[in-house]
Amino acid sequence: QVQLQESGPGLVKPSETLSLTCTVSGGSLNNYYWTWIRRPAGKGLEWIGRIYTNDNTRYNPSLQSRVSMSVDTSKNHISLTLTSVTAADTAIYYCARGYVPTAIGPWYHYMDVWGKGTTVTVSS
Amino acid sequence: DIVVTQSPLSLPVAPGEPASISCGSSQSLLRPDGYNYLDWYVHKPGQSPQLLIYLGSNRASGVPDRFSGGGSGTDFTLRISRVEAEDVGVYYCMQTLQTPRTFGQGTKVEIK
Repeated sequence: QVQLQESGPGLVKPSETLSLTCTVSGGSLNNYYWTWIRRPAGKGLEWIGRIYTNDNTRYNPSLQSRVSMSVDTSKNHISLTLTSVTAADTAIYYCARGYVPTAIGPWYHYMDVWGKGTTVTVSS
Repeated sequence: DIVVTQSPLSLPVAPGEPASISCGSSQSLLRPDGYNYLDWYVHKPGQSPQLLIYLGSNRASGVPDRFSGGGSGTDFTLRISRVEAEDVGVYYCMQTLQTPRTFGQGTKVEIK
């Protein structure tokens, strides 16, 4: 059974760079989309962006200038980097696998496996 | 960005009673292929979010048949035929027509 586990520093200072990793166990990274989503305290879910295993990426325009994602198939993990963080980036960060139903097409995927999330606090 | 709006934001339901959540989008989510590009997720306390319904009306694997999704274009509904205690959580609709994908505000379902 595929499992995802997010990991990261927990606490980041304002203006610094946040780096998170999503480690995939029990399955391959290939031929899936990998998405990062966050949930700020007291708020709803926000889509950060996604990456396909060919490094094709799409980011939320609200974060575009600060975010990047990468896939490392040798380590079986996906990385998220967010620069110049502020208190507004305090949230629980989730990674999720995007499955492409063969009957539909490559433009669509749904998130069928999620990690448990990692809490990130931005504070000095 | 496509704006997705849910209602109600809070939904207390007695066990065994039905529940319904509405979701609207600022533009049609129906593509020429006939699919509505809207998914439903639930975020239960202490758990990861999980997929309930994809492409408007398709139940994800393992989802009980008391959950159903309907609607088309810009108006969608998630129905729970008989609410159980394990259904407590925040329910989100999310449009999958274009990036950035956007979620509704979430509907908190609780047991009366």
